[in-house]
Parts: sequence; C-alpha cells; structure tokens
Amino acid sequence: AQSVSQHNHHVILSEAASLELGCNYSYGGTVNLFWYVQYPGQHLQLLLKYFSGDPLVKGIKGFEAEFIKSKFSFNLRKPSVQWSDTAEYFCAVNLMNTGFQKLVFGTGTRLLVSP
Amino acid sequence: EAGVVQSPRYKIIEKKQPVAFWCNPISGHNTLYWYLQNLGQGPELLIRYENEEAVDDSQLPKDRFSAERLKGVDSTLKIQPAELGDSAVYLCASSLGGSSWNEQFFGPGTRLTVL
Repeated sequence: AQSVSQHNHHVILSEAASLELGCNYSYGGTVNLFWYVQYPGQHLQLLLKYFSGDPLVKGIKGFEAEFIKSKFSFNLRKPSVQWSDTAEYFCAVNLMNTGFQKLVFGTGTRLLVSP
Repeated sequence: EAGVVQSPRYKIIEKKQPVAFWCNPISGHNTLYWYLQNLGQGPELLIRYENEEAVDDSQLPKDRFSAERLKGVDSTLKIQPAELGDSAVYLCASSLGGSSWNEQFFGPGTRLTVL
C-alpha cells in the first residue's frame, strides 16, 4: 500500500534556526505533493504544493520544499524559523492514477520554536 | 468568505450510543470529504462526495458508519453504535471539484470521545 513517511515526530528549535522536515513516499507513479500546516487551535491549511515543473516550490510564510524524484522525497525547509511557526506539519501525496484528488497523509511533525 | 463549518466541535458519548457530525462546505464547492484523524496520525479519507453522490467510500466502515449529502451541500456523518476506538477527530474538507488541481479546505474538526 502507498504510504507517506515523516521522519521526525517532534522537532524543537530556537528562533532563527534553520528547519528541514523530511517526507518520503512509496509510490512509483506520478504524484502531486503537498505540505499542510495546523497552527495551535486552528484548522489544517495548505502551505505549499508541487504538481509539475520546477522541483523547488515556494509557499507561504517563507517556506519552500524540494521534490527529489529519485529519492521519493519532498522535504520542507525554512532558513530561519519564528516562534509563530510552532505548529504541526503534514506531508501529503496525491496519487495521480485516478485523476482525482485522494490525499494520503503522513503522521505529522510537531514543531516547537522557542523564543 | 466563510470557511468550512463543522459542528459540534466536541462530543462526548458513551459506547454503543449513536453520534452525528455535521459539515457545511464552502459555498460553491461541489466536492466534500470526510476524514478521520486518530491521535498522533495524519488524516485518513473516509468518504468523498461529488455533489450528492458518494464517489469514493472504500475506506468507510459501513457496518457502523454512514454518511449523506442531501441536495449536494451540507453533509452528515453518523456512527451507530459508537465504539471506544472511534475516539478521534473527524474532519470535513471541501474543494471546487475533485480534480487533482483543486485545493482542499479543511474545517476545524469534531473531536469525539467515546467513554
């Protein structure tokens, strides 16, 4: 079965530190890739997405992610985190073979940024 | 623009009792999704509607779970009878269409506790 792996369940950083959250998926076909974020007390919202083209995609709030097809990875990065980035981050994959959006989510990474 | 609305936000019931969750999607969104999110996990799709038609309910445990989307707008998800293992957050999401290109917008979820 297709799966999405997020390597780190909990990450603690100080403000201004650089962030990289890992995401790997197990599917050999064409995929769309997403990162969602859930801030404390808020709903899930889209951070960025990759459909095709430039494998380095930029999202909101200074986040970016790089799709490396050979590694089946879509890691999320931010050069300098802020306290307000404290949230839970979910990687998700859409399998393109159906033509419809059927997201498979990873287990999430809880990020705590200390001021 | 109002987002996806879900109610109730929290529900506590005893096992074997019935429970229902309600979702009002973003106006104009034809596609509606119900997800289950267990503690420490990412959301898992239960059912997807295109207008009033359930087009993907392969993950819905049909022995106790049911859903409907009358008139292709609001939707309800029901569990009867509830079991202890049903304690989780139930998320509703909507999108303009089911195509891979359409962003899903999530509601705040209903947190169910079964005692």
